[in-house]
Amino acid sequence: DTAVSQTPKYLVTQMGNDKSIKCEQNLGHDTMYWYKQDSKKFLKIMFSYNNKELIINETVPNRFSPKSPDKAHLNLHINSLELGDSAVYFCASSQPGTAYTEAFFGQGTRLTVV
Amino acid sequence: GQQLNQSPQSMFIQEGEDVSMNCTSSSIFNTWLWYKQDPGEGPVLLIALYKAGELTSNGRLTAQFGITRKDSFLNISASIPSDVGIYFCASTINQGGKLIFGQGTELSVKP
Repeated sequence: DTAVSQTPKYLVTQMGNDKSIKCEQNLGHDTMYWYKQDSKKFLKIMFSYNNKELIINETVPNRFSPKSPDKAHLNLHINSLELGDSAVYFCASSQPGTAYTEAFFGQGTRLTVV
Repeated sequence: GQQLNQSPQSMFIQEGEDVSMNCTSSSIFNTWLWYKQDPGEGPVLLIALYKAGELTSNGRLTAQFGITRKDSFLNISASIPSDVGIYFCASTINQGGKLIFGQGTELSVKP
């Protein structure tokens, strides 16, 4: 049983399109995240949701809109895709505030904008 | 802002050799995490450290939380081809569980 699963794994789309990436976790965690990994493999947080509420927004463009229908799901919708949005996007979850705050990651979605 | 400086950036070693990589910061952290990312996959947690001075092993991997709380190292002994991947150090900054990552160490192991 996959702990954090995201779909699709690969996404190729044209500039200007709107696309969504879905994420689900079955770990019972209260907090979910979206991270972006650039071409140099650097990982940076984009958003964090705790129990469906946005708690971190790292100055991400408004074209990116996360949505959390319940605490087990955090989807990422991207409007008007640009070439620079090409990257690997990772969903993650954790249970901060406990003794163990490590995050568990999904397998990633490689987004290519052409 | 707070950042983690990880080195080396890449390593090319022979199978059987030991490997050491480290992470430093000018800031104090309460947690140090080491992740491994295989090609095409997400980061997977290897070792978590929660106490200054803590030394923890996971099979051939050993990691330590520096006594100053500003650094950590990861050692891999007797490397094997499946150790290939990118290793990241990470820590939390008490902001809703947000993780910040080092730049990664890309490990290549020659059989």
